[in-house]
Amino acid sequence: EIVLTQSPGTLSLSPGEGATLSCRASQSVSSSYLAWYQHKPGQAPRLLIYGASSRATGIPDRFSGSGSGTAFTLTISRLEPEDFAVYYCQQYGSSPYTFGQGTKLEIK
Amino acid sequence: EVQLVESGGGLVQPGGSLRLSCAASGFIFSSYSMSWVRQAPGKGLEWVSYISSSSSTILYADSVKGRFTISRDNAKNALYLQMNSLRAEDTAVYYCARPLYSGSYGYWGQGTLVTVSS
Repeated sequence: EIVLTQSPGTLSLSPGEGATLSCRASQSVSSSYLAWYQHKPGQAPRLLIYGASSRATGIPDRFSGSGSGTAFTLTISRLEPEDFAVYYCQQYGSSPYTFGQGTKLEIK
Repeated sequence: EVQLVESGGGLVQPGGSLRLSCAASGFIFSSYSMSWVRQAPGKGLEWVSYISSSSSTILYADSVKGRFTISRDNAKNALYLQMNSLRAEDTAVYYCARPLYSGSYGYWGQGTLVTVSS
């Protein structure tokens, strides 16, 4: 099983600042089958990034993903008030298709 | 418009059973794999199970293997999760999800709450 470890657990920032979220895998993620999701309370998760670096349809370009192998990053430039949420990475290259434990992005 | 609507959640005693359903519309259901993902109260997302479009490939998380059974009825555009021998730690909101790009989940239902408690 591939274990995904996200850091930091909580990130406190102000609107307008930039955010960098990390996701490290215990084994190499095949073909960069790595996704990032945004999740707000009471809502369904929202796909942001797939294939480690491709933005899903309708996702603003302030969201970007990078990385390969075992190290991946989600970068959010110029935080908007609606960006404060919990973010999860997920690998879907090897069963079980594990999620990281999440990073909570909160308003400072 | 793609829609996924879960149902069947509720309160069940430990050791009991429950069957979740996910009604799909707005796309050719038989062409897509489907999955179940859950979120326990105060916890993160946990992948539960996967079924391929033709049901030829079925996968489970170790935490539910042997207790949960995923299935689908392509004629009815429906996905199911039969949950047996339920435990308190199975308490969660259960989401059905459909891939959008490769295997990443671009479409999600709103979830159905399962509470396992005496």
